[in-house]
Amino acid sequence: DAGVTQSPTHLIKTRGQQVTLRCSPKSGHDTVSWYQQALGQGPQFIFQYYEEEERQRGNFPDRFSGHQFPNYSSELNVNALLLGDSALYLCASSFNNSPLHFGNGTRLTVT
Amino acid sequence: AQSVTQPDIHITVSEGASLELRCNYSYGATPYLFWYVQSPGQGLQLLLKYFSGDTLVQGIKGFEAEFKRSQSSFNLRKPSVHWSDAAEYFCAVGANNDMRFGAGTRLTVKP
Repeated sequence: DAGVTQSPTHLIKTRGQQVTLRCSPKSGHDTVSWYQQALGQGPQFIFQYYEEEERQRGNFPDRFSGHQFPNYSSELNVNALLLGDSALYLCASSFNNSPLHFGNGTRLTVT
Repeated sequence: AQSVTQPDIHITVSEGASLELRCNYSYGATPYLFWYVQSPGQGLQLLLKYFSGDTLVQGIKGFEAEFKRSQSSFNLRKPSVHWSDAAEYFCAVGANNDMRFGAGTRLTVKP
């Protein structure tokens, strides 16, 4: 039973570029949440997707957007990258308010 | 607004010694509380959770935590630490659609 899988594991981008990160939830889970974890900090909630809709959003600018597909997988898109967007991006899945299951994350470096 | 404070950034304990990691929260209602552990380069693994009922909760890997409403605390404990427990520990509060994490406590285990 595969857990939450994220791709790619590492990514290097230049300021101003756009990036797409991908997440496949744990089998049986229908809800996907995205978090940003800057170095030395705790994860910060970006948004959550359920039934292909953004259900809740944290305090992140519109440059951060997402999508959920019918198979429950999800993408996180970040436009106009800034140096401060460098972080570990974590995807977590859940079902019916069960505790979050996290993937290993995508390490994004913006130069 | 909900928030979590982990007062200790870094704790060092000797292998076999007891451990207590502190967590204080701010939340408007009865909180859902969690402890997660993160090893380097990995995602977050759930150690234990408190939703309601018995205020002393048992988790995986021999960890336990006690919910104290009067102190707004949810401290994590382990009676005897193993070298493999060295990691970053995060306390979190809230529901799945908006979970807030503390900044984390890094645990070092001395031989």
